[in-house]
Amino acid sequence: QSVLTQPPSASGTPGQRVTISCSGSSSNIGSNTVNWYQQLPGTAPKLLIYSNNQRPSGVPDRFSGSKSGTSASLAISGLQSEDEADYYCAAWDDSLNGPKWVFGGGTKLTVL
Amino acid sequence: EVQLVETGGGLIQPGGSLRLSCAASGFTVSSNYMSWVRQAPGKGLEWVSVIYSGGSTYYADSVKGRFTISRDNSKNTLYLQMNSLRAEDTAVYYCARVNAVRGPDYYYYYYMDVWGKGTTVTVSS
Repeated sequence: QSVLTQPPSASGTPGQRVTISCSGSSSNIGSNTVNWYQQLPGTAPKLLIYSNNQRPSGVPDRFSGSKSGTSASLAISGLQSEDEADYYCAAWDDSLNGPKWVFGGGTKLTVL
Repeated sequence: EVQLVETGGGLIQPGGSLRLSCAASGFTVSSNYMSWVRQAPGKGLEWVSVIYSGGSTYYADSVKGRFTISRDNSKNTLYLQMNSLRAEDTAVYYCARVNAVRGPDYYYYYYMDVWGKGTTVTVSS
């Protein structure tokens, strides 16, 4: 059971806009920023969004992130076939047992 | 070029030990927070451990007391010593650099920006 909650799957057609949600709590998303990772089949995760809504160099502006309270979301506009991948949200968690990273369970995005 | 390369994975029997290495290039391991993340077959990402630039270390509850994260500054390499291995430790293990950005509230917020390709650990008899 993941600390952050994501829908297990999402889908869209080419050109469409899709969003993926990520729900947490006051000790993680509520008090820290959210990062998003894209994992293409058989490859390592790749940083997609950091600090809630910042894109690393090279990430298309079709990808955007937002955060409100203890939830966050990733939006992908102009969906393309190469966007078919697993997407994970992550946040630092300031738990009483010591700091730790927490991840969402991942959302498998299918481009129909 | 900033790069991380993990080695040391393999097939190990339950109860055995293994040490993973993560060689860094293009940046200095000791100047950054560094982390290990694993992914069991067909499952999601699970954080394992982090070492701060100052040397403090933290672990996921699932590995606490069994795994030890460390680094060798002279080799610019991160390690994960894994003892008392269990079947549920079977996974691809990734090392990652942790970067930080200073927010408007002057706190630092962290994210894993560079990942290695991973090394596979299989615990089975």
